[in-house]
Amino acid sequence: DQQVKQNSPSLSVQEGRISILNCDYTNSMFDYFLWYKKYPAEGPTFLISISSIKDKNEDGRFTVFLNKSAKHLSLHIVPSQPGDSAVYFCAARGQGGSEKLVFGKGTKLTVNP
Amino acid sequence: GAGVSQSPSNKVTEKGKDVELRCDPISGHTALYWYRQSLGQGLEFLIYFQGNSAPDKSGLPSDRFSAERTGGSVSTLTIQRTQQEDSAVYLCASFLGRGLAGGRETQYFGPGTRLLVL
Repeated sequence: DQQVKQNSPSLSVQEGRISILNCDYTNSMFDYFLWYKKYPAEGPTFLISISSIKDKNEDGRFTVFLNKSAKHLSLHIVPSQPGDSAVYFCAARGQGGSEKLVFGKGTKLTVNP
Repeated sequence: GAGVSQSPSNKVTEKGKDVELRCDPISGHTALYWYRQSLGQGLEFLIYFQGNSAPDKSGLPSDRFSAERTGGSVSTLTIQRTQQEDSAVYLCASFLGRGLAGGRETQYFGPGTRLLVL
């Protein structure tokens, strides 16, 4: 059973527009959420995170929104740039001592010039 | 080195052979993870080392998989009697260590080892 779901395997947007990547989770024990970006032949790199006590976290062009009641989070990239083209993974971490990350399957973002 | 390194970058082996994958974490990081990513799937947790504590092996898919971490630094993931379904990218990640820097910490990933079992 997938605890973290990214239902869109791919997304294509025009340069300068907003990219919105979505993620749903089922485990209410998750209390920390992260987004990673992955280029081909490289390991994932951390992008932005949010604690469950917040509903928004912003870092430059990247903003993550968390809706706990809907168990949904989203990553907004604005304005999108061609260099943002990559696979984006949503990940969640449980409460307490668990440091395991549970990942979604990823969404491949393509930003067209 | 500045980041997490893994070797080999690519490994092709025959079904039934044993393979060893190596991870060099960031110097000073006490926590180390192994994940794998099969084709079209997300990252799957395998094993977690934290300092001198007993590792969390709950993600290892079978007893053919084992890992060790020598001297609290380098880690080796061993897959015995490889099967075709073991083909995946195996990723290692490290971070400073829970509690040492306060709060939640970012895991830093290596580039991965691409394993293909024929």
